[in-house]
Amino acid sequence: SQTIHQWPATLVQPVGSPLSLECTVEGTSNPNLYWYRQAAGRGLQLLFYSVGIGQISSEVPQNLSASRPQDRQFILSSKKLLLSDSGFYLCACLLRGRVAEAFFGQGTRLTVV
Amino acid sequence: QQPVQSPQAVILREGEDAVINCSSSKALYSVHWYRQKHGEAPVFLMILLKGGEQKGHDKISASFNEKKQQSSLYLTASQLSYSGTYFCGTEIGTDKLIFGTGTRLQVFP
Repeated sequence: SQTIHQWPATLVQPVGSPLSLECTVEGTSNPNLYWYRQAAGRGLQLLFYSVGIGQISSEVPQNLSASRPQDRQFILSSKKLLLSDSGFYLCACLLRGRVAEAFFGQGTRLTVV
Repeated sequence: QQPVQSPQAVILREGEDAVINCSSSKALYSVHWYRQKHGEAPVFLMILLKGGEQKGHDKISASFNEKKQQSSLYLTASQLSYSGTYFCGTEIGTDKLIFGTGTRLQVFP
């Protein structure tokens, strides 16, 4: 079965600092990968998704970017964090070509101060 | 595009029932249901694919209407462990996975 590793679990960063969140998947190949952000008490906002190496679709123009350098690796980055980037970031995996459940990493709680 | 869930919040006593709705202006390819505990990742509950489908396990079940524009999640004889936020999810095309607005459920003794 699929396992998603996401780290770090918690991060406190100053405004203007860079960000790199990493997500790796085990137990499957060629998955669809997703980054979501969740503000406190709010829903899951889709930020980016990827159907393959180097293929990134951006949903919300913002201060963030994503990359997929390997089949099972998905990275969320920022060059300069804003206060509004604070939130709970979740990486998810969906098997491409099949209608199946999405698996989530444990999330990263980012606080920008 | 985002499915709309109703109600936004539900408060129950143990043993009471609840219904959570997920509606879309367009036919949905599929509907996923997830439950998220505070500070944790969402956990998959079930998926429905066909119009008119009903599915369930234990005391949690779901339906997908014939036009595939609405799904409902049924929680019967609720338990304290049912507390959390429930999300419906749907696939746009074959790759984009988006989620509904969420319904916060609180069950009290």
